[in-house]
Amino acid sequence: GIQVEQSPPDLILQEGANSTLRCNFSDSVNNLQWFHQNPWGQLINLFYIPSGTKQNGRLSATTVATERYSLLYISSSQTTDSGVYFCAVGSLLNDYKLSFGAGTTVTVRA
Amino acid sequence: DAEITQSPRHKITETGRQVTLACHQTWNHNNMFWYRQDLGHGLRLIHYSYGVQDTNKGEVSDGYSVSRSNTEDLPLTLESAASSQTSVYFCASSEVVGTEAFFGQGTRLTVV
Repeated sequence: GIQVEQSPPDLILQEGANSTLRCNFSDSVNNLQWFHQNPWGQLINLFYIPSGTKQNGRLSATTVATERYSLLYISSSQTTDSGVYFCAVGSLLNDYKLSFGAGTTVTVRA
Repeated sequence: DAEITQSPRHKITETGRQVTLACHQTWNHNNMFWYRQDLGHGLRLIHYSYGVQDTNKGEVSDGYSVSRSNTEDLPLTLESAASSQTSVYFCASSEVVGTEAFFGQGTRLTVV
């Protein structure tokens, strides 16, 4: 199956700081999603971004499919941004099943 | 609003019992998935379905089964619960293959 690697595994930020999370994947993909798992365990959809760039408020994401990576940017972080961020990819080669990375745990301190 | 719901949210069961977790979506999505989430393993795919009467095994399917008799529901059955199946279970759905998937709230299952 497709290998998905996320970095860094852990990130501690001061409120107001900016950060970049990275997702590398081993094969061509047709689907790439970023999720935020909040402290209550809910998986919140952030972006569906198999290619290109999208922005939603303080969050933005870029996927460079030809180079097999995606980046999630958090600007002006807030304590509510704390949680685990997952990247998940799907490919025709893997019957379009979503394969998840191990996640990046983000802690934003006030 | 259309949504995907899981029930129960929490369950404690005994080793050897049969357990069924429910997943219901109102989006009329063709595709439905079951994942489990464990510390150190992230989310792993158990079973998935790309339409009524279609079911497929994921990477950790041993000890689990699913059936898809209608578009809205994909129940997950643990035939004989084991302590190794203590986990948080997530159901997801997507409209067509390769499109955005949406997750339910999760079910925390404890097998004692």
